[in-house]
Amino acid sequence: GENVEQHPSTLSVQEGDSAVIKCTYSDSASNYFPWYKQELGKGPQLIIDIRSNVGEKKDQRIAVTLNKTAKHFSLHITETQPEDSAVYFCAASVGYGKLTFGQGTILTVHP
Amino acid sequence: GAVVSQHPSWVICKSGTSVKIECRSLDFQATTMFWYRQFPKQSLMLMATSNEGSKATYEQGVEKDKFLINHASLTLSTLTVTSAHPEDSSFYICSGGTGRTYEQYFGPGTRLTVT
Repeated sequence: GENVEQHPSTLSVQEGDSAVIKCTYSDSASNYFPWYKQELGKGPQLIIDIRSNVGEKKDQRIAVTLNKTAKHFSLHITETQPEDSAVYFCAASVGYGKLTFGQGTILTVHP
Repeated sequence: GAVVSQHPSWVICKSGTSVKIECRSLDFQATTMFWYRQFPKQSLMLMATSNEGSKATYEQGVEKDKFLINHASLTLSTLTVTSAHPEDSSFYICSGGTGRTYEQYFGPGTRLTVT
């Protein structure tokens, strides 16, 4: 089955800096790659996603890049703010199927 | 749009009892619903996938007789933890898919504590 590896497990940045989180996946059939933000005691919230027919997608301060050949995708957050502090998860799926999640990254943005 | 609710948001039960968690899609029809379990400081692990009107498909290692899943309508799925034990204490999260987009819409989660 699919295996998703996520790095780093913790990331600490200063407000205004950029943050990058990377994931690799194993199943070449995977074609949907969402990123979620999870705050303590809450369900995951989709922040951005990308499909395999696209190499990059951007939404304001957040961007995701996908390299299908290397089977890795990354989340980029620019101009970080303290409210960006949370746990971030990457995931992968084949179409409408089940999501396999990465291990998560605890992002801390220091004011 | 695409809101999923869960009830209860938290529950405490005694060891040996059963507890039911409801997952509702409020403004869309969820042809597929997924149930995840998340232990503290860990990732989400899929427990089972259910399609409306069909039996759930359980992931390897998940006891189907212990975690009963019912998806009787396009807006409601339930997870019943039978004969709960302290090791079942966890954060249970459901999600729904429309079958028209790849996106899954997640509920807010249910915190189960078994004493």
